[in-house]
Amino acid sequence: LAKTTQPISMDSYEGQEVNITCSHNNIATNDYITWYQQFPSQGPRFIIQGYKTKVTNEVASLFIPADRKSSTLSLPRVSLSDTAVYYCLVGLLVSSNTGKLIFGQGTTLQVKP
Amino acid sequence: GAVVSQHPSWVICKSGTSVKIECRSLDFQATTMFWYRQFPKQSLMLMATSNEGSKATYEQGVEKDKFLINHASLTLSTLTVTSAHPEDSSFYICSARWSGNRLEQYFGPGTRLTVT
Repeated sequence: LAKTTQPISMDSYEGQEVNITCSHNNIATNDYITWYQQFPSQGPRFIIQGYKTKVTNEVASLFIPADRKSSTLSLPRVSLSDTAVYYCLVGLLVSSNTGKLIFGQGTTLQVKP
Repeated sequence: GAVVSQHPSWVICKSGTSVKIECRSLDFQATTMFWYRQFPKQSLMLMATSNEGSKATYEQGVEKDKFLINHASLTLSTLTVTSAHPEDSSFYICSARWSGNRLEQYFGPGTRLTVT
């Protein structure tokens, strides 16, 4: 499973766009990139997943360059409720793989008023 | 969306006793469930992978005789912490992999275990 590197923490203000970048230099051809959000004393919540280029949903956008060695989670106009830990995970989630996820340290996002 | 529940949400037990935590997929069948442990200010650590009808696969360093996992049906997996000690106090989280979508896992709300 590819190892990921993220900033340990980030600060932002309400209304701003936040971009969290994750490095995954050893990503394999069949690996997908998945981002989860976790609030204190809660289980992680799926945010977005992608394989290449750009993926957008109602919550966030995920930008993946052509070499796929990094990815950027973009949260538009954050609010105080977006304060959480964000995890970037890379893994083979299809075919015969068990689908297990190995969590890295995550990025603690603090949104200030 | 897919919902995973855990019971209990928190539990306090005395040292030396055993505690069972349930993980249920409420609206989908989960062929595979995972158990994680999370200590304060730390990331989730995968403990084991549980497949319905077969023995669980434990990660290196996790004692299988201490953390008993049973996955008896496609909607239920249980984790039993046997002979609990204060160092087992942690936040235990399960996740379920939807057999119909192999790309996503859905996490339970977690169970806070405190061993006194």
